[in-house]
Amino acid sequence: NAGVTQTPKFQVLKTGQSMTLQCAQDMNHEYMSWYRQDPGMGLRLIHYSVGAGITDQGEVPNGYNVSRSTTEDFPLRLLSAAPSQTSVYFCASSYGGLAGGKTQYFGPGTRLLVL
Amino acid sequence: AQSVTQLGSHVSVSEGALVLLRCNYSSSVPPYLFWYVQYPNQGLQLLLKYTSAATLVKGINGFEAEFKKSETSFHLTKPSAHMSDAAEYFCAVSDAGGGNKLTFGTGTQLKVEL
Repeated sequence: NAGVTQTPKFQVLKTGQSMTLQCAQDMNHEYMSWYRQDPGMGLRLIHYSVGAGITDQGEVPNGYNVSRSTTEDFPLRLLSAAPSQTSVYFCASSYGGLAGGKTQYFGPGTRLLVL
Repeated sequence: AQSVTQLGSHVSVSEGALVLLRCNYSSSVPPYLFWYVQYPNQGLQLLLKYTSAATLVKGINGFEAEFKKSETSFHLTKPSAHMSDAAEYFCAVSDAGGGNKLTFGTGTQLKVEL
């Protein structure tokens, strides 16, 4: 198993450009999520999905779009990048269901710099 | 709303010394609690988790944590630090019925000195 994979590893954008961060998992996990990590702020939830075709907003969703057409993939789109979106982005996945306590598996991250 | 507070953004210990990383949580319902570790330029890896079974939880690499409801704490300890333990550690909480949504603390950077 490759686990959770993310591409690209590093990206530089200019303000106003758009891009898609890719995330894929091969563990047949229903739940997938995107976090951003900023110094001194820990990880904050951007969007999440409990299954194909179902997405919802997390704590910091503004400026980001997601969709989930397959169980395996959960791309994150920046429609018009802003310097405030400079961050490290992590994708994570886990088994689904309402009961908590499930281990989330994280990808290696995408480092994004917006100039 | 649930939240996590990690006291001390940087902790430094000598190799062989006790490691103690503090985490206090706030949750209106019984929580699930996690400790994740992040090595430089890598993603997060689960160290251990509390899911309402035993209050003393043992994890990987010799780490353990004790859930104390009366103190709303879930501190992470390791009896003897090793150089390879140098990393950033995150405490996180999710609540019963909240599915898999995690709320993270701000992290503690552990430095291990010779």
